[in-house]
Amino acid sequence: AQRVTQPEKLLSVFKGAPVELKCNYSYSGSPELFWYVQYSRQRLQLLLRHISRESIKGFTADLNKGETSFHLKKPFAQEEDSAMYYCALSPNQAGTALIFGKGTTLSVSS
Amino acid sequence: DGGITQSPKYLFRKEGQNVTLSCEQNLNHDAMYWYRQDPGQGLRLIYYSQIVNDFQKGDIAEGYSVSREKKESFPLTVTSAQKNPTAFYLCASSTGTRYEQYFGPGTRLTVT
Repeated sequence: AQRVTQPEKLLSVFKGAPVELKCNYSYSGSPELFWYVQYSRQRLQLLLRHISRESIKGFTADLNKGETSFHLKKPFAQEEDSAMYYCALSPNQAGTALIFGKGTTLSVSS
Repeated sequence: DGGITQSPKYLFRKEGQNVTLSCEQNLNHDAMYWYRQDPGQGLRLIYYSQIVNDFQKGDIAEGYSVSREKKESFPLTVTSAQKNPTAFYLCASSTGTRYEQYFGPGTRLTVT
C-alpha cells in the first residue's frame, strides 16, 4: 500500500537548535516527494521537492531510498519556522493524486 | 499565493442541508482536488479531476459530490449524507496529477 508516515504529531525545540522532521514512505516504485508547510493563518504551500535538491529557508531534505525516508532538516531553528509541516508523495503513475502524511506541528520557542 | 480562490471563508449550515463550496483557479491548471483537513488526520482526498467533465473519487468521497464543467472551476457539494461534515476544506490545483499542488485558502464549514 502507498503510504506516508510522519511519526511525530508535535516537535518542540528551542531557537537555534537543530530540527529534523521525520517522513517515511511506503511505495514500490520511484516516487517524487515533497514537503509542504502551513504557517498560522496562511494557506498550505510547497516548501521543497526532492527532485530540485534545493534549500529553502534553510531547510533541506534528502531522499533515502534504502530507508524509504525523506526527513526535513534545518541546522538552526528560528521562531518563524513554527508551523505545520506535511510530507507528500507523488506516485510515479499517471492518474493518481498526491498522498499526504498526517503532518507534524513544529513549535520553536525562545 | 493567489491564483486559487475559495469562497466563502466561513460557512454555517443546519444539519440536513446540502451546501456547495466554491473553488476557482486562473492558473490554467488541468487537475483540481478537494481535501478535508481535520486535526490529527492530515489531508484526506475527497475528489479530484484531471480534465473537464471527468473526476475520480478519493479516499473519503462518501457524502460528497463534485462537478467539473469548466477548467477553472471545481465546486464541492457536501450533502446531508455526509455524517461528519464540520471540517476545514481545501481546494488545490496542479498542472498534472503527478506534480506539486497549489492550494487555496480553505473554507471552514460548520454544521449544527
